[in-house]
Amino acid sequence: DAKTTQPPSMDCAEGRAANLPCNHSTISGNEYVYWYRQIHSQGPQYIIHGLKNNETNEMASLIITEDRKSSTLILPHATLRDTAVYYCFFTDSWGKFQFGAGTQVVVTP
Amino acid sequence: EPEVTQTPSHQVTQMGQEVILRCVPISNHLYFYWYRQILGQKVEFLVSFYNNEISEKSEIFDDQFSVERPDGSNFTLKIRSTKLEDSAMYFCASSRDSIMNTEAFFGQGTRLTVV
Repeated sequence: DAKTTQPPSMDCAEGRAANLPCNHSTISGNEYVYWYRQIHSQGPQYIIHGLKNNETNEMASLIITEDRKSSTLILPHATLRDTAVYYCFFTDSWGKFQFGAGTQVVVTP
Repeated sequence: EPEVTQTPSHQVTQMGQEVILRCVPISNHLYFYWYRQILGQKVEFLVSFYNNEISEKSEIFDDQFSVERPDGSNFTLKIRSTKLEDSAMYFCASSRDSIMNTEAFFGQGTRLTVV
């Protein structure tokens, strides 16, 4: 089973920042934290990943706590197209992502 | 932007029939994966494939399933004798490097319906 904990749902107003938390207290030192999202029933889409340092790309920012037991994905200016299920996980074995239930994010006008 | 392509987008088959789901990974990628998602449920890992052999497989990936990279560009998932419970979306993915530190790109999926 997935070893991360995420809130089941979250609403966000269009244009505002969306902050998505994830707990991963069993992560080990060499495991990366990944975030993906799935819009409707499409294939999962990569967002960002990180090990220890905070990361930013054109889609989002990833803030990882110093003890690495939790992280926050930040969508800086949410749009309606960001409505999706957001998954947080870490790789505990080679080649396998363990998708959990994720957080259903609904962006409202 | 390069993408993973899956065909067909929807496949309907009779129970007990064999199906082959096809995927064209991104051209310079070396690692390939199959996942599935039963309607309303989580995305589940099936198998990973590297260097022409299976690297890891889940409990779901039993003897009814097989994967192949027949020609250097396609990556296929075969289900030998389909069951009703095999009905799901099947996603192919590929990555340039080992998935420990790289993104995987997913295709748009094949919806398999077993009747």
